[in-house]
Amino acid sequence: AQKVTQAQTEISVVEKEDVTLDCVYETRDTTYYLFWYKQPPSGELVFLIRRNSFDEQNEISGRYSWNFQKSTSSFNFTITASQVVDSAVYFCALSEGRSGAGSYQLTFGKGTKLSVIP
Amino acid sequence: DTEVTQTPKHLVMGMTNKKSLKCEQHMGHRAMYWYKQKAKKPPELMFVYSYEKLSINESVPSRFSPECPNSSLLNLHLHALQPEDSALYLCASSPGTPGRNSYNEQFFGPGTRLTVL
Repeated sequence: AQKVTQAQTEISVVEKEDVTLDCVYETRDTTYYLFWYKQPPSGELVFLIRRNSFDEQNEISGRYSWNFQKSTSSFNFTITASQVVDSAVYFCALSEGRSGAGSYQLTFGKGTKLSVIP
Repeated sequence: DTEVTQTPKHLVMGMTNKKSLKCEQHMGHRAMYWYKQKAKKPPELMFVYSYEKLSINESVPSRFSPECPNSSLLNLHLHALQPEDSALYLCASSPGTPGRNSYNEQFFGPGTRLTVL
């Protein structure tokens, strides 16, 4: 069975501070995929990144960076110089592979609510 | 066109009403999903359609009836709902074509906020 744990329920930071959102996952599969989604108050889930289990290369995209470590089953997300527009709920998710022809099920963590205070 | 659209944005219905939620994507994706999300909770998968066929039904009550008329459209028919069914209903799609780099990324619509009175 697969599981995603986001231990931080809520985080508050002051604008321009750096913040790291933690994600720990459990899976028995050797091939799996990890995702981060952002959900602002408007409700839409915005795709941020996907990582394959065989690609441990960390990634930086503007103020966002992701640290994937298979040894600790973690896929952490860092926002540098946070801005008020970063305020949202962030979900980490795991997919173990195909669950039906062409479809993939996601297991979501419970989410971390980030509040960036001006 | 790289978006998933959902209508209506908001819906209020009584327990005896029949209504439908609509989802559309024109990205050529072959898998489409319905999720239900309660406040302060992650999305919960309800149904998955793959190549226009229902592939997963997560033990959803029969008062929710999905339909996939074609590869771009996904409907969710609602009948005799309960107040506890009030939630944000999200639709998503994914390419579903193995071999493509982004084949399993799910792209979500803005959701329909449903209130059952």
